[in-house]
Amino acid sequence: ILNVEQSPQSLHVQEGDSTNFTCSFPSSNFYALHWYRWETAKSPEALFVMTLNGDEKKKGRISATLNTKEGYSYLYIKGSQPEDSATYLCAFTGSNSGYALNFGKGTSLLVTP
Amino acid sequence: DAGVIQSPRHEVTEMGQEVTLRCKPISGHNSLFWYRQTMMRGLELLIYFNNNVPIDDSGMPEDRFSAKMPNASFSTLKIQPSEPRDSAVYFCASSGQGGDIQYFGAGTRLSVL
Repeated sequence: ILNVEQSPQSLHVQEGDSTNFTCSFPSSNFYALHWYRWETAKSPEALFVMTLNGDEKKKGRISATLNTKEGYSYLYIKGSQPEDSATYLCAFTGSNSGYALNFGKGTSLLVTP
Repeated sequence: DAGVIQSPRHEVTEMGQEVTLRCKPISGHNSLFWYRQTMMRGLELLIYFNNNVPIDDSGMPEDRFSAKMPNASFSTLKIQPSEPRDSAVYFCASSGQGGDIQYFGAGTRLSVL
């Protein structure tokens, strides 16, 4: 089992605030880092897959960065909206663990109007 | 494509009964994954298949759990006999190639009384 830690565990922001959260993972044997968005009563939906150190990906108001040497990734949401409320999961794949995704426990985001 | 299809959506059964969960991956996808979601442990990988062959079943809790993928369009996860501690949401996911973005089904919520 590979240790994937996410922080904070939960976050409550006001509409319009920008926010970010962290995923830390083993820095050795890195293959890929995934971010998923999981709304209540739905299934996880992929946001990004990142493989290269220094990668930066963007999808609308959401962006993510990757540092494989120090083993962390940040997810940023600019100008949070109530519809951004969800749990954000990161998952790590190691080069010696096949394609198995090791998920963190997630950051639960609540955006209130 | 309709996405990953899981059935049933909900299953309530009594301890000791056999439970079979079903999954139809996205057509053309080569990799299929079974996960279990619990409050305590988050999202855990149980087993995954690549080209219908089980690759890593180290996450399968014990011998009561078994999974099969008889062809590229169908997989089952069976629990026999079921126990109350098996109560969880079971997700199936598929990807085009191992390591790619995974697409999740809606999940099966299992309650063992």
